[in-house]
Amino acid sequence: EIVMTQSPATLSVSPGERATLSCRASQSVRTNLAWYQQKPGQAPRLLIYGASTRATGIPARFSGSGSGTEFTLTISSLQSEDFAVYYCQQYHNWLWTFGQGTKVEIK
Amino acid sequence: EVQLVESGGGLVQPGGSLRLSCAGSGFTFSSYWMSWVRQAPGKGLEWVANIKQDGSEKYYVDSVKGRFTISRDNAKNSLYLQMNSLRAEDTAVYYCARAAMVRVIDYWGLGTLVTVSS
Repeated sequence: EIVMTQSPATLSVSPGERATLSCRASQSVRTNLAWYQQKPGQAPRLLIYGASTRATGIPARFSGSGSGTEFTLTISSLQSEDFAVYYCQQYHNWLWTFGQGTKVEIK
Repeated sequence: EVQLVESGGGLVQPGGSLRLSCAGSGFTFSSYWMSWVRQAPGKGLEWVANIKQDGSEKYYVDSVKGRFTISRDNAKNSLYLQMNSLRAEDTAVYYCARAAMVRVIDYWGLGTLVTVSS
């Protein structure tokens, strides 16, 4: 099983500031990495796939980078609607795993 | 509009069984891999199972192997999850999800809550 580890668990950021979230895989997943956003009481929403490709309708302030075992999600200027929990997910094969999540909260 | 609607959740005793259903609409159901993902109360996401378009390939997380069975009926645009030998740790919201061509989840249902408790 590929283990995904996200850091930090909680990130406190002021609106308008930049947020950087990390995700590490226990073995290489190449660029088979996705990021999801989840708000309370809602299903997750796909933000990024292929490590760096934004999903349809996702604002340009969201960007992803990395390959192999180290990945980053950057939110360039946090808006009020961006405060949520973010999950990374590897899909190197059809045995998927998610990271434990990073909560982005208002500072 | 793509829609996924889960049903079948509820309260069940440890060791019991439950069958979840998911009705898909707004897309060609038979063209997509489908998935179940769960989320325990206050916890993160956990992938549970995937099934290929024709049902010929199925994959499960280790913790449910031998207890859960994913299946589909393309004629009814429906996905199922048969859950047997349920444990307290299976308590979660279970989401039905569609896997896009690039193997990520592009649509999610609203989820159905399964509670395993005596």
